[in-house]
Amino acid sequence: KAGVTQTPRYLIKTRGQQVTLSCSPISGHRSVSWYQQTPGQGLQFLFEYFSETQRNKGNFPGRFSGRQFSNSRSEMNVSTLELGDSALYLCASSGQGVNTEAFFGQGTRLTVV
Amino acid sequence: AQSVTQLDSQVPVFEEAPVELRCNYSSSVSVYLFWYVQYPNQGLQLLLKYLSGSTLVKGINGFEAEFNKSQTSFHLRKPSVHISDTAEYFCAVVRGSGNYKLTFGKGTLLTVNP
Repeated sequence: KAGVTQTPRYLIKTRGQQVTLSCSPISGHRSVSWYQQTPGQGLQFLFEYFSETQRNKGNFPGRFSGRQFSNSRSEMNVSTLELGDSALYLCASSGQGVNTEAFFGQGTRLTVV
Repeated sequence: AQSVTQLDSQVPVFEEAPVELRCNYSSSVSVYLFWYVQYPNQGLQLLLKYLSGSTLVKGINGFEAEFNKSQTSFHLRKPSVHISDTAEYFCAVVRGSGNYKLTFGKGTLLTVNP
């Protein structure tokens, strides 16, 4: 069974640009969550999607958005990039029921210059 | 809201020594507890989880953790560590209500020295 796939692995963008990151969950998983990891703030929850609907949202500005497609693949978008958006962005997928665990992808390393 | 405190940011140990990584949580509702490991430039891998039942939970790679409700702790232990256990370890909680939002601690960097 293939794991969670995130593309691209690495990105370098300029301040003010926008970026789109992609996440393909494990087959059959309908929940996809996104996390931002930085040395200063650690791992912070961005949002969770389930069956194409945003079910939970963390405390991030509106520049951070996401969506989920009918095949459960998810994208997150960051507009008007700031230097502080440089981080490792992790995607996790999980199956039905709260007893299932979250499986993480390898992440996308975003550097804003 | 939940919160997680990992009491040590760094833990250096020698190979074959025992290790304990400490985690305390705070929540007004029931939670499920997890330990994840992260190797450099990698995502997170689940070591073990506590959902209910026995308070002693065994995970992969010889790790185990004990859930203590009265002390709101979920410490991770391994009786004998290897060089390959060098990594960052994260304790996390999620509300036991179907709300799948993990709250993580700041992480503990375990360094195993020869």
